[in-house]
Amino acid sequence: EAGVTQSPTHLIKTRGQQATLRCSPISGHTSVYWYQQALGLGLQFLLWYDEGEERNRGNFPPRFSGRQFPNYSSELNVNALELEDSALYLCASTPFLGDTEAFFGQGTRLTVV
Amino acid sequence: GEDVEQSLFLSVREGDSSVINCTYTDSSSTYLYWYKQEPGAGLQLLTYIFSNMDMKQDQRLTVLLNKKDKHLSLRIADTQTGDSAIYFCAESMGGGADGLTFGKGTHLIIQP
Repeated sequence: EAGVTQSPTHLIKTRGQQATLRCSPISGHTSVYWYQQALGLGLQFLLWYDEGEERNRGNFPPRFSGRQFPNYSSELNVNALELEDSALYLCASTPFLGDTEAFFGQGTRLTVV
Repeated sequence: GEDVEQSLFLSVREGDSSVINCTYTDSSSTYLYWYKQEPGAGLQLLTYIFSNMDMKQDQRLTVLLNKKDKHLSLRIADTQTGDSAIYFCAESMGGGADGLTFGKGTHLIIQP
């Protein structure tokens, strides 16, 4: 069974640009979560999608947004990139709404220069 | 607010046992997790324990929970070079993985 897959593995963008990160959950999982792992800050919850709806968002500005598609895959969009957005972005999925046993992808390393 | 604390580094000799400690502040935590992150990789769920349990053993891994002291530990028996990674403790009250609160991770360094 394939795990959570994320693309691209690495992404380099210039300040002010937009970045799009993609995630495919484990087959059968309906909930997708996005986390930011910035140096020195640990993992911070960003967004949660389930059945195409945004269920919750963390303490991040509106330029962090996303969506979930009918096949449960998800995109994270970051607009007006700032240097501090440089981080590892991790996607996780759970089998159903409200489950806490999360399975993580390998992440997308976003570097803003 | 919720907080999860871990030591930043732990150095052990290959073959010895590693004990990684974690303290948390939220007494209503229901689930406590240990994740492993190898260099350049995502997080791998190692094991978890419910708050009504004191201990859980899974092959070389032993999780101990002291709910009174809000202290969680992960013991890795016969530590191998492949165990070298960052280990994250996380707690949750349930209701979704958005409620996971992670520690900053402990770097486990293996000495030959």
